Amino acid sequence: AQTVTQSQPEMSVQEAETVTLSCTYDTSESDYYLFWYKQPPSRQMILVIRQEAYKQQNATENRFSVNFQKAAKSFSLKISDSQLGDAAMYFCAYQPGGEKLTFGTGTRLTIIP
Amino acid sequence: SQTIHQWPATLVQPVGSPLSLECTVEGTSNPNLYWYRQAAGRGLQLLFYSVGIGQISSEVPQNLSASRPQDRQFILSSKKLLLSDSGFYLCAWNGAAAGNTIYFGEGSWLTVV
Repeated sequence: AQTVTQSQPEMSVQEAETVTLSCTYDTSESDYYLFWYKQPPSRQMILVIRQEAYKQQNATENRFSVNFQKAAKSFSLKISDSQLGDAAMYFCAYQPGGEKLTFGTGTRLTIIP
Repeated sequence: SQTIHQWPATLVQPVGSPLSLECTVEGTSNPNLYWYRQAAGRGLQLLFYSVGIGQISSEVPQNLSASRPQDRQFILSSKKLLLSDSGFYLCAWNGAAAGNTIYFGEGSWLTVV
C-alpha cells in the first residue's frame, strides 16, 4: 500500500523568509503524480502545486517550488518570500495514474510577522 | 470551466437521525467523484469513490453510504448517524478535463449531537 509521510506536524517562518516542508512517500509504481494542497482556516482544500513523476524538472508556481527526488521518494515544498496569507495546513498527496489520492497527515505552517 | 459545489455547508444533527450531503460538478462529463472525511486535527480519509453512474467503491467500512444517481451528482448518506460521524466532509472530482488533478468542493461541517 502506498503511504505518504509528513514528519513535521508544525513549522513556523518569519514573514518574507523561506521555508521548506518535507514529504516522503512509498510506492512501487513508476507512473504517478504528487501534489501539495493548502488548507486555510476556511478548510477548503486548494491545490498549490503538482508534479508528474516522469518529469525530472521540478515544478514551480510563483513563490512555490518543489524538490522532487524520485529515487529517494522525496517531495518537499519550498515557499519563498513567505506571506501572512500562506498560513495554513499543507498536505502532501500521492496519486497513482488517475486514481484516488493518498494524503499525508499535514504540516501546520505559521507565519510570524 | 469546471466547478464543484457541495451542500449544506454546516449541519448539526442528533444521534440516530439520517444524513444527506450532496455534491455536484459542472462543466465536465464522466468525472471521477470522491468523498473524503477529515476528523478534527487529522488528515483526510477517503470514504467512497465513483468512476461512473451507479458505480461506488467503499474504502472504509462504516455507517455511511454513497450514491451516484446522475453523472455529475454524488450523495453521501446515513440512515442513523453516530457521534463518531462528526467531522468535515469534502467532495472532490477529477477527470480528463482536469488533467487528473483532484479538485475539492467547499466542504461540509457535520456535528452529531
